[in-house]
Amino acid sequence: DAGVIQSPRHEVTEMGQEVTLRCKPISGHDYLFWYRQTMMRGLELLIYFNNNVPIDDSGMPEDRFSAKMPNASFSTLKIQPSEPRDSAVYFCASSLHNPADEQFFGPGTRLTVL
Amino acid sequence: AQSVTQLDSHVSVSEGTPVLLRCNYSSSYSPSLFWYVQHPNKGLQLLLKYTSAATLVKGINGFEAEFKKSETSFHLTKPSAHMSDAAEYFCVVSDWAGANNLFFGTGTRLTVIP
Repeated sequence: DAGVIQSPRHEVTEMGQEVTLRCKPISGHDYLFWYRQTMMRGLELLIYFNNNVPIDDSGMPEDRFSAKMPNASFSTLKIQPSEPRDSAVYFCASSLHNPADEQFFGPGTRLTVL
Repeated sequence: AQSVTQLDSHVSVSEGTPVLLRCNYSSSYSPSLFWYVQHPNKGLQLLLKYTSAATLVKGINGFEAEFKKSETSFHLTKPSAHMSDAAEYFCVVSDWAGANNLFFGTGTRLTVIP
C-alpha cells in the first residue's frame, strides 16, 4: 500500500480564498483523522471519521472549516474563506479499527495564507 | 484526566552516544503509550507502542522504551545515536476511549552532532 496520500503538498493562497485539502487513507482503515500542526499550538486534532461518518468535530476551529468523507477512500478539508492564521501543516491520518490505536500519517499539506 | 509531558523540548547528543528522551504521563486508566518520530517535512511515523504487554518495548531503528507504572514514565532510549535519528519525537498517551482521548506531547527535537 502507498500509505496515506495527501494533496497538494504545498498550497499558497491569498486571504479570503477557498482552500481544499485532499486525503486518501490506507485501504481498509475504518478511521480517518485531520490534524493541524503549528509551532505555537503543536499538533491538534480537528475532526475524525469512522466509516465515512464524522464522529467528533469539536477540534474544528470555526465554521470556516468543513470536512467531508464521501467514500471510504477520499476525504476533504475545506477552509472558506481562508485567513493568514490558518497557515499551518495539515495532516491526514488513518487507523485500522480503533481510533486510539496506531495512526498512519500522510506527508502533510503545508498551507500558507498570505 | 489524561496528559503527557515531554520533559525536554530539545536534546542534543553526539553521534554514537546514547539517546534518552523523557516522557511522563498521567492517566486514570491503564493507558496505551506510543512514540512517534517526525523527520523534517514528513508526517509522523510510529516508532513503538505499549499496550499492557511487556513493559520493555522494542521499536524500529534500534529504539526502545520502558513502561514504568510506579514512575508514570515511558522514556525512549537508543544505545547509539545515528545522524539519521535527528528528528522531532512525540510521546502519545491514549485510554482507548476514542481519538479525542489521544494526547500528544509537545515534542522533543533531537539533534545529532557528527
